[in-house]
Amino acid sequence: SQTIHQWPATLVQPVGSPLSLECTVEGTSNPNLYWYRQAAGRGLQLLFYSVGIGQISSEVPQNLSASRPQDRQFILSSKKLLLSDSGFYLCAWSRPPDTEAFFGQGTRLTVV
Amino acid sequence: DQQVKQNSPSLSVQEGRISILNCDYTNSMFDYFLWYKKYPAEGPTFLISISSIKDKNEDGRFTVFLNKSAKHLSLHIVPSQPGDSAVYFCAASPGAQKLVFGQGTRLTINP
Repeated sequence: SQTIHQWPATLVQPVGSPLSLECTVEGTSNPNLYWYRQAAGRGLQLLFYSVGIGQISSEVPQNLSASRPQDRQFILSSKKLLLSDSGFYLCAWSRPPDTEAFFGQGTRLTVV
Repeated sequence: DQQVKQNSPSLSVQEGRISILNCDYTNSMFDYFLWYKKYPAEGPTFLISISSIKDKNEDGRFTVFLNKSAKHLSLHIVPSQPGDSAVYFCAASPGAQKLVFGQGTRLTINP
Protein backbone atom coordinates (compact mmCIF):
# COMPACT_ATOMS: atom_id res chain seq x y z
CA SER A 1 0.00 0.00 0.00
CA GLN A 2 1.03 3.58 -0.52
CA THR A 3 2.02 5.90 2.30
CA ILE A 4 3.10 9.50 2.45
CA HIS A 5 5.42 10.89 5.08
CA GLN A 6 5.74 14.55 5.84
CA TRP A 7 7.90 16.14 8.52
CA PRO A 8 8.21 17.85 10.84
CA ALA A 9 4.67 18.01 12.23
CA THR A 10 5.22 21.41 13.82
CA LEU A 11 7.87 24.05 13.34
CA VAL A 12 8.51 27.46 14.85
CA GLN A 13 11.01 29.56 12.95
CA PRO A 14 12.18 33.17 13.29
CA VAL A 15 11.64 35.66 10.51
CA GLY A 16 14.50 35.59 8.03
CA SER A 17 15.51 32.01 8.76
CA PRO A 18 15.57 29.31 6.06
CA LEU A 19 12.98 26.56 5.68
CA SER A 20 13.07 23.00 4.46
CA LEU A 21 10.04 20.71 4.63
CA GLU A 22 10.38 17.22 3.28
CA CYS A 23 7.82 14.81 1.91
CA THR A 24 8.33 11.25 0.71
CA VAL A 25 5.94 8.76 -0.80
CA GLU A 26 6.28 5.00 -0.53
CA GLY A 27 4.68 2.20 -2.44
CA THR A 28 4.25 3.88 -5.80
CA SER A 29 6.39 5.19 -8.62
CA ASN A 30 6.13 8.27 -10.84
CA PRO A 31 3.53 9.97 -8.67
CA ASN A 32 2.38 13.52 -9.17
CA LEU A 33 3.41 15.48 -6.08
CA TYR A 34 1.89 18.62 -4.61
CA TRP A 35 2.48 21.23 -1.91
CA TYR A 36 -0.58 22.98 -0.53
CA ARG A 37 -0.93 25.61 2.15
CA GLN A 38 -3.92 26.23 4.37
CA ALA A 39 -3.70 29.70 5.89
CA ALA A 40 -5.89 30.62 8.85
CA GLY A 41 -9.53 30.90 7.76
CA ARG A 42 -8.74 30.04 4.16
CA GLY A 43 -8.99 27.02 1.95
CA LEU A 44 -6.25 24.86 0.53
CA GLN A 45 -4.07 26.80 -1.85
CA LEU A 46 -1.94 24.89 -4.35
CA LEU A 47 1.64 26.16 -4.18
CA PHE A 48 3.61 23.75 -6.38
CA TYR A 49 3.09 20.55 -8.28
CA SER A 50 5.45 18.17 -9.97
CA VAL A 51 4.86 15.49 -12.60
CA GLY A 52 8.43 14.18 -12.55
CA ILE A 53 11.97 14.56 -11.22
CA GLY A 54 13.16 18.13 -11.63
CA GLN A 55 9.81 19.25 -13.05
CA ILE A 56 8.19 21.87 -10.85
CA SER A 57 5.22 24.10 -11.62
CA SER A 58 4.57 27.09 -9.41
CA GLU A 59 1.00 28.22 -8.96
CA VAL A 60 1.49 31.46 -7.07
CA PRO A 61 4.37 33.91 -6.83
CA GLN A 62 5.81 33.77 -3.36
CA ASN A 63 8.75 33.47 -1.07
CA LEU A 64 8.90 29.70 -1.41
CA SER A 65 10.43 27.20 -3.80
CA ALA A 66 10.10 23.48 -4.35
CA SER A 67 12.40 20.76 -5.60
CA ARG A 68 12.04 17.11 -6.53
CA PRO A 69 15.48 15.54 -6.35
CA GLN A 70 14.14 11.98 -6.46
CA ASP A 71 11.02 10.37 -7.87
CA ARG A 72 9.25 10.10 -4.53
CA GLN A 73 10.75 13.06 -2.69
CA PHE A 74 9.36 16.58 -2.69
CA ILE A 75 10.94 19.43 -0.76
CA LEU A 76 9.52 22.85 0.07
CA SER A 77 12.10 25.53 0.83
CA SER A 78 12.61 29.15 1.60
CA LYS A 79 15.82 31.15 1.96
CA LYS A 80 14.27 33.74 4.26
CA LEU A 81 10.93 33.21 5.95
CA LEU A 82 8.35 35.97 6.27
CA LEU A 83 5.64 36.28 8.90
CA SER A 84 3.08 35.71 6.15
CA ASP A 85 4.57 32.27 5.47
CA SER A 86 2.92 30.95 8.64
CA GLY A 87 0.31 28.31 7.93
CA PHE A 88 -0.44 24.63 7.62
CA TYR A 89 1.53 23.02 4.81
CA LEU A 90 0.36 19.82 3.20
CA CYS A 91 2.11 17.49 0.83
CA ALA A 92 0.00 15.28 -1.41
CA TRP A 93 0.41 12.72 -4.16
CA SER A 94 -1.72 11.31 -6.91
CA ARG A 95 -1.28 8.45 -9.34
CA PRO A 96 -1.71 9.63 -12.91
CA PRO A 97 -4.09 9.51 -14.66
CA ASP A 98 -6.19 9.40 -11.46
CA THR A 99 -7.21 12.73 -10.02
CA GLU A 100 -7.69 11.80 -6.36
CA ALA A 101 -4.89 13.20 -4.24
CA PHE A 102 -3.79 11.68 -0.96
CA PHE A 103 -2.45 13.95 1.71
CA GLY A 104 0.21 13.78 4.36
CA GLN A 105 -0.42 14.77 7.94
CA GLY A 106 0.73 18.34 7.41
CA THR A 107 3.25 20.69 9.00
CA ARG A 108 2.14 23.58 11.18
CA LEU A 109 4.64 26.37 10.50
CA THR A 110 4.70 29.40 12.75
CA VAL A 111 7.03 32.22 11.81
CA VAL A 112 7.80 34.50 14.75
CA ASP B 1 -9.74 34.64 -8.49
CA GLN B 2 -11.59 32.01 -6.48
CA GLN B 3 -12.57 29.38 -9.04
CA VAL B 4 -14.14 27.07 -6.47
CA LYS B 5 -16.34 28.63 -3.82
CA GLN B 6 -17.94 27.29 -0.70
CA ASN B 7 -20.05 30.18 0.47
CA SER B 8 -21.06 28.72 3.81
CA PRO B 9 -18.14 28.78 6.24
CA SER B 10 -20.09 26.72 8.76
CA LEU B 11 -23.12 24.47 9.06
CA SER B 12 -24.79 22.96 12.10
CA VAL B 13 -27.03 19.89 11.78
CA GLN B 14 -28.89 17.66 14.21
CA GLU B 15 -27.66 14.09 14.49
CA GLY B 16 -29.68 11.79 12.27
CA ARG B 17 -30.76 14.55 9.90
CA ILE B 18 -29.40 15.31 6.43
CA SER B 19 -26.35 17.53 5.99
CA ILE B 20 -26.10 19.38 2.67
CA LEU B 21 -22.83 21.05 1.76
CA ASN B 22 -22.71 23.26 -1.31
CA CYS B 23 -20.01 24.26 -3.75
CA ASP B 24 -19.97 26.51 -6.82
CA TYR B 25 -17.34 26.77 -9.52
CA THR B 26 -16.61 29.16 -12.34
CA ASN B 27 -14.22 27.32 -14.65
CA SER B 28 -16.09 25.38 -17.33
CA MET B 29 -12.90 23.36 -17.97
CA PHE B 30 -13.32 21.51 -14.67
CA ASP B 31 -14.27 17.93 -15.46
CA TYR B 32 -13.81 16.11 -12.18
CA PHE B 33 -15.01 17.05 -8.73
CA LEU B 34 -14.12 15.73 -5.31
CA TRP B 35 -15.02 16.17 -1.68
CA TYR B 36 -12.50 15.92 1.12
CA LYS B 37 -12.97 15.79 4.87
CA LYS B 38 -10.46 17.31 7.23
CA TYR B 39 -9.97 17.07 10.96
CA PRO B 40 -7.84 19.66 12.83
CA ALA B 41 -4.08 19.24 12.46
CA GLU B 42 -4.50 16.41 9.94
CA GLY B 43 -4.32 16.16 6.19
CA PRO B 44 -7.59 16.00 4.24
CA THR B 45 -8.97 12.57 3.40
CA PHE B 46 -10.77 11.78 0.19
CA LEU B 47 -14.52 11.15 0.54
CA ILE B 48 -16.24 10.91 -2.82
CA SER B 49 -15.87 12.15 -6.36
CA ILE B 50 -17.90 12.66 -9.51
CA SER B 51 -17.02 12.99 -13.16
CA SER B 52 -18.62 15.68 -15.28
CA ILE B 53 -20.33 13.01 -17.36
CA LYS B 54 -22.48 12.06 -14.38
CA ASP B 55 -24.93 14.02 -12.25
CA LYS B 56 -24.96 11.82 -9.17
CA ASN B 57 -22.63 9.49 -7.34
CA GLU B 58 -23.48 7.62 -4.16
CA ASP B 59 -21.28 5.87 -1.60
CA GLY B 60 -23.01 4.73 1.56
CA ARG B 61 -24.25 7.74 3.49
CA PHE B 62 -22.56 10.16 1.08
CA THR B 63 -24.04 11.35 -2.20
CA VAL B 64 -22.61 14.00 -4.49
CA PHE B 65 -24.81 15.81 -6.99
CA LEU B 66 -23.49 17.77 -9.94
CA ASN B 67 -25.46 20.42 -11.84
CA LYS B 68 -23.22 21.40 -14.75
CA SER B 69 -25.52 24.07 -16.15
CA ALA B 70 -25.51 25.84 -12.79
CA LYS B 71 -21.85 25.00 -12.12
CA HIS B 72 -22.90 23.72 -8.75
CA LEU B 73 -22.29 20.59 -6.75
CA SER B 74 -23.45 19.43 -3.38
CA LEU B 75 -22.59 16.75 -0.87
CA HIS B 76 -25.42 15.07 1.03
CA ILE B 77 -24.72 13.13 4.21
CA VAL B 78 -27.61 11.11 5.56
CA PRO B 79 -28.04 10.26 8.32
CA SER B 80 -25.53 12.65 9.87
CA GLN B 81 -23.41 11.27 12.69
CA PRO B 82 -21.26 13.00 15.34
CA GLY B 83 -18.12 11.65 13.68
CA ASP B 84 -19.02 13.62 10.57
CA SER B 85 -18.11 16.84 12.35
CA ALA B 86 -15.15 18.19 10.40
CA VAL B 87 -14.23 20.71 7.72
CA TYR B 88 -15.33 19.66 4.25
CA PHE B 89 -13.51 20.85 1.15
CA CYS B 90 -14.85 20.79 -2.34
CA ALA B 91 -12.23 20.41 -5.08
CA ALA B 92 -12.26 20.51 -8.86
CA SER B 93 -9.81 19.48 -11.51
CA PRO B 94 -9.29 20.82 -15.06
CA GLY B 95 -7.39 17.66 -15.86
CA ALA B 96 -5.57 14.99 -13.95
CA GLN B 97 -2.68 17.15 -12.85
CA LYS B 98 -4.00 19.35 -10.10
CA LEU B 99 -6.90 20.13 -7.81
CA VAL B 100 -8.37 23.52 -7.00
CA PHE B 101 -9.98 23.68 -3.57
CA GLY B 102 -12.75 25.75 -2.07
CA GLN B 103 -12.43 27.53 1.25
CA GLY B 104 -14.07 24.75 3.22
CA THR B 105 -17.24 24.42 5.31
CA ARG B 106 -17.08 23.48 8.97
CA LEU B 107 -19.82 20.94 9.68
CA THR B 108 -20.94 20.42 13.27
CA ILE B 109 -23.28 17.56 14.09
CA ASN B 110 -25.22 18.17 17.29
CA PRO B 111 -26.38 15.20 19.40
